[in-house]
Amino acid sequence: SYVLTQPPSVSVAPGQTARISCDGDNVGTQSVHWYQQKAGQAPVVVVYDDTVRPSGIPERLSGSTSGNTATLTISRVEVGDEADYFCQVWDAPSDHWVFGGGTKLTVL
Amino acid sequence: QVRLVESGGGVVQPGESLRLSCATSGFSFSDHDMHWVRQAPGKGLEWVAVISYDGSDKVYADSVRGRFTISRDISKSTLYLQMDSLRVDDTAMYFCARDLYGDHSAPLALWGQGTMVTVSS
Repeated sequence: SYVLTQPPSVSVAPGQTARISCDGDNVGTQSVHWYQQKAGQAPVVVVYDDTVRPSGIPERLSGSTSGNTATLTISRVEVGDEADYFCQVWDAPSDHWVFGGGTKLTVL
Repeated sequence: QVRLVESGGGVVQPGESLRLSCATSGFSFSDHDMHWVRQAPGKGLEWVAVISYDGSDKVYADSVRGRFTISRDISKSTLYLQMDSLRVDDTAMYFCARDLYGDHSAPLALWGQGTMVTVSS
């Protein structure tokens, strides 16, 4: 089955840039989506189809893909960005929806 | 206003059954595939099942296939998850979710707040 691997945690100081990776076999050829989940809340999609931001999501959040890695970049990190972030793709061969294990972003 | 509201969670013993519901409003229910996604306490998201917009196709995660059944009632704009032979490791918050557009590669753009299922002896 298809696997997406994320680092368990990323820590950055306010104002700095956070980069959260999502590794998967040829993930760059798929549509990657990123979700933000704050404590006690449902997930919210913050980037979809690799690079598209839904309305209301700040431009500080951006997505990119290359080869076997997708990356969510959060520029000028704010305390309010503290959350768990999950990447997700649809694996066509298995017709399964796959989530990465999630990355906890801590703002120091 | 677009809404998804889950209900039906609770505490059950291993081997018992539970039926979750997801009442929807604010959009054309019959136009969208619908999903169940779960999250064990302190863990990540796990996709559980999907049902096509018209109910004709259903796909399940390996961990629940043969025990869970997803269904929908278009007349009630409601999604269901029948969970049988529950196990301790089915303990999780269960979310229903709707795709953004009509393609399997689409993101899950709309989520409910979840309903908690606890399986314990």
